[in-house]
Amino acid sequence: GIQVEQSPPDLILQEGANSTLRCNFSDSVNNLQWFHQNPWGQLINLFYIPSGTKQNGRLSATTVATERYSLLYISSSQTTDSGVYFCAVYADKLIFGTGTRLQVFP
Amino acid sequence: DVKVTQSSRYLVKRTGEKVFLECVQDMDHENMFWYRQDPGLGLRLIYFSYDVKMKEKGDIPEGYSVSREKKERFSLILESASTNQTSMYLCASSSGLARTYEQYFGPGTRLTVT
Repeated sequence: GIQVEQSPPDLILQEGANSTLRCNFSDSVNNLQWFHQNPWGQLINLFYIPSGTKQNGRLSATTVATERYSLLYISSSQTTDSGVYFCAVYADKLIFGTGTRLQVFP
Repeated sequence: DVKVTQSSRYLVKRTGEKVFLECVQDMDHENMFWYRQDPGLGLRLIYFSYDVKMKEKGDIPEGYSVSREKKERFSLILESASTNQTSMYLCASSSGLARTYEQYFGPGTRLTVT
């Protein structure tokens, strides 16, 4: 089956720093989604992005489907950005990556 | 905004009890899903439904059943709860016949079986 790997597994930042999270997938997919799981466990939709670039405030995402990767950019990070970031790809079902745990300190 | 709600945020049950987890979505979505999330194992699909009264097994259906009597509601049933079913349970929904469309998740239910 499709493998989805995320890097880095852990990231510690000071407030105001920028970061890039990467998602690699092993085969062609129908679509791709980025989520933020907050400390209470809820998965919040960030981007639904099969290809190209999207931006939403301080966050943006780029997917290059032909090269099988996606990037999530977080600029001017805030403590509320802490949590786990997942990418998930659609093949015959939604397959989640391993996650990047982000901690932002004041 | 899409809203997916789950009946409980936290639940504690005893071994052998029958447990019902309820999920409701308000966007008239065709597809609904149940996942469980465990440390080190990620999110795994238990069951999904693409229409009322229709269901399909996911990756780990053993020990679970589901019910979808109305389009907006999808229930996960643990017939006889066991300690290895202690987990975070997440419900999701999506629109479209292709089932590849964006999924929206509920807040989750942390179930502890003692």
